[in-house]
Amino acid sequence: GESVGLHLPTLSVQEGDNSIINCAYSNSASDYFIWYKQESGKGPQFIIDIRSNMDKRQGQRVTVLLNKTVKHLSLQIAATQPGDSAVYFCAEFLDTGRRALTFGSGTRLQVQP
Amino acid sequence: DGGITQSPKYLFRKEGQNVTLSCEQNLNHDAMYWYRQDPGQGLRLIYYSQIVNDFQKGDIAEGYSVSREKKESFPLTVTSAQKNPTAFYLCASSPMGETQYFGPGTRLLVL
Repeated sequence: GESVGLHLPTLSVQEGDNSIINCAYSNSASDYFIWYKQESGKGPQFIIDIRSNMDKRQGQRVTVLLNKTVKHLSLQIAATQPGDSAVYFCAEFLDTGRRALTFGSGTRLQVQP
Repeated sequence: DGGITQSPKYLFRKEGQNVTLSCEQNLNHDAMYWYRQDPGQGLRLIYYSQIVNDFQKGDIAEGYSVSREKKESFPLTVTSAQKNPTAFYLCASSPMGETQYFGPGTRLLVL
């Protein structure tokens, strides 16, 4: 399928290494955050979420860290696999008025076998 | 992709033509959304609907229209007023407006 993000920042890692993908969010009042994975030509897939009253949340091979002081979110992927190659987006949610997600521009993860 | 379907997968539009993209969900979600995605960019919100028979403009609504006559369906029309319609269009739904689940997308190309 056609590449989604031709000019995205790219993180290249070796298979088996840990990956860290970073995101700066825009609104200090945002109270919910999500990481999505998007493979080429497909819709985004939910990976993990975190609420603003938490600093860390773990899933299967993934961990999300939230630093509200500097408005920073990170996604850590343990033992990265070739199937993890995709574009990763963070999204923030503000529970006022519009009640819709605002998406970051994304990071492309390339896993070298 | 869950229970969200979008059709067609590819759509070709002639200049001056209106085209409609379909989005259907069987998840019983109240909220539905349309996003546009261009290469090198994130998702931009076109329209959203939090309940049947009600919808709101997003950040880039000009040149688009929607309807929400049924809970399951949220079609998007790309009108001739949209001068740069070539993009990947994504539909999403949400039970409570937070976590959104996406369909597979429709790629719109201009002939």
